[in-house]
Amino acid sequence: QKEVEQDPGPLSVPEGAIVSLNCTYSNSAFQYFMWYRQYSRKGPELLMYTYSSGNKEDGRFTAQVDKSSKYISLFIRDSQPSDSATYLCAMSSGTGANNLFFGTGTRLTVIP
Amino acid sequence: GAVVSQHPSWVICKSGTSVKIECRSLDFQATTMFWYRQFPKQSLMLMATSNEGSKATYEQGVEKDKFLINHASLTLSTLTVTSAHPEDSSFYICSAHSPYRASTDTQYFGPGTRLTVL
Repeated sequence: QKEVEQDPGPLSVPEGAIVSLNCTYSNSAFQYFMWYRQYSRKGPELLMYTYSSGNKEDGRFTAQVDKSSKYISLFIRDSQPSDSATYLCAMSSGTGANNLFFGTGTRLTVIP
Repeated sequence: GAVVSQHPSWVICKSGTSVKIECRSLDFQATTMFWYRQFPKQSLMLMATSNEGSKATYEQGVEKDKFLINHASLTLSTLTVTSAHPEDSSFYICSAHSPYRASTDTQYFGPGTRLTVL
């Protein structure tokens, strides 16, 4: 079993839709949870960073962590064509100098 | 802030040659740098972790004599793929971390280097 599971998609939605992306994990030691956005042939860009359980909102993006269920989500409101990218969840048991465990990424396309 | 650059962005080389990829943290000092490779439609796979001034720690299955990593300064790490073969063709991405940054304590990624070995 992989440490982090993520539905690879692809996921296509119309512009303006609400997008829900999810990851599950097995290691209860994970405490730091991140979402990265990766455009084609580019490096990952940090979108959201959360510690432990709870919600965090940044503009059109909301990250949720449910440690009891070992489940994290990223919601994108009012999706835009520029949101079309691959979204990677990542997590670690410690801070930035610790290994990150990545999901496989979900490819999202927002159709104008 | 948290800008990480890589050079070159893409490289094509002949089988048997060596290729050096540079990773620089432009606006902070990185005590730790990481090297990943990514195959098409797959996630990032950690190859090695390097701390400034010490030897890199390689992940299981990664040949340290083939993938030479040097982290000689707090802003520069290099990955040298020695005697490259077509199966080494991949997208190589570095990331950097510093415990001294006031903002989010995580890894920041470079734009990646696409290596094609003919």
